[in-house]
Parts: sequence; C-alpha cells; structure tokens
Amino acid sequence: DIQMTQSPSSLSASVGDRVTITCRASRSLGIYLNWYQQTAGRAPQLLIRAVSNLESGVPSRFSGGGSGTDFTLTITSLQPEDFATYYCQQSYTTPWTFGQGTKVEIK
Amino acid sequence: QGQLLQSGTEVKRPGASVKISCTASGDTFTTHQMHWVRQAPGQGFEWMAIINLRGGSLNYAQKFQGRLMMTRDTSTSTVYMEVSSLTSEDTAIYYCVLSSYDFPRHWGQGTLVTVSS
Repeated sequence: DIQMTQSPSSLSASVGDRVTITCRASRSLGIYLNWYQQTAGRAPQLLIRAVSNLESGVPSRFSGGGSGTDFTLTITSLQPEDFATYYCQQSYTTPWTFGQGTKVEIK
Repeated sequence: QGQLLQSGTEVKRPGASVKISCTASGDTFTTHQMHWVRQAPGQGFEWMAIINLRGGSLNYAQKFQGRLMMTRDTSTSTVYMEVSSLTSEDTAIYYCVLSSYDFPRHWGQGTLVTVSS
C-alpha cells in the first residue's frame, strides 16, 4: 500500500495567515493526489483534485502544488471558516490511502 | 451536479451484519466506479472496496475479504455494501465515493454504524 505522510499534524494560525500543509507519498503519484477539508460531523469536502485543480465553488485562496512524491496545500489569508482538518489522499491505485490529517486551529 | 444519498444510521449487535445503500443522482451511473471508505470515531480514513458500475467487477481490501459484499442495481443507480461478522472495531461512519477516471467526484453524506452489545 502507498503510505501518505502529512505534516504538521496540527497547527495554530490566525485569520489572515498563510498556511502550508505538506503531504509525502511513499511512491510517485503522478497527478493522482487530492485534498479534502473536513469539519466536525460532516463528510469530507473535496477541495483539490489532481494536485492543483480547484473544485467548483472552492475559494481561490486554496491552492495545491507539488509533483512526484511531495505535495502541498496552501491557504493564503486564512478565513474563520477554514479552521478544520485537512487530508491528502492518493487515487493512483487501490487501496486509496489518506494522510493522517492536519488540524488547523485558531491561535 | 451529481450527488450520493446513503441510507440511515444503524445499530447492530456484535456478530450481526449490516447492509448500507448509496443511491446516485444527477450523474451517469454506469460510467463511474464506486468506492467505500470508512472513518472510525476520531480516526482517519480507511478504504474498503471498489465496484465498477458498468461491468460490476469488484476489488476488496484484503482485511475485509470474506466478510464484505458489494452489489449494484443499475436500474436504480444504487450500490449496496454488506459487512458481516461485525465487531466493535467496525463502529464507524461509512462513506460511498463516486469516482471517474481514478479521481473522486462525489462523497455520500455518510452512514453511522454502531456495533454494541
């Protein structure tokens, strides 16, 4: 199985801050890397598909990048509604595997 | 814009089985695949299985081999997942996820399954 490692596992930030979350895969994923946002009690919301493609309706302050085994999710100018847990996920092959999550908390 | 609607909360005794449904709307059912992913309380995500909605081919995660069964009904755009021999470790929210060309498209709202004596 492909192992996905996210860092950090949690972070504290203020409204307006720039935040970057890193995801590393145990093998090259090509473009098959996706990012999700999950708030308590809700299903995950797909933010970014295929490394850098923003889903419809997702604010442009979210962006994704990277290649091979190393990927990033960046939130520029953090907003109150962005405090949540973020997950990376590989869809290169089954079993799909996910990072352990990064909880973004209010400083 | 497609969406997935899952069946409701289930409470089961250890050793029982549970069958969850996931109905797709607003999208072309048979051009996609359906995955099941679960999330135990306070935990991350665990992939369980995939079914090809056109041909019906299946692939189950190794840990669920022998106690997981997925079926589809193309006439109602519904996928069913049955998990047998439940234990407390199966307590989780179960999600169906529609995928196309190996990318996720839509997630269901989740079905909470609680296994308790």
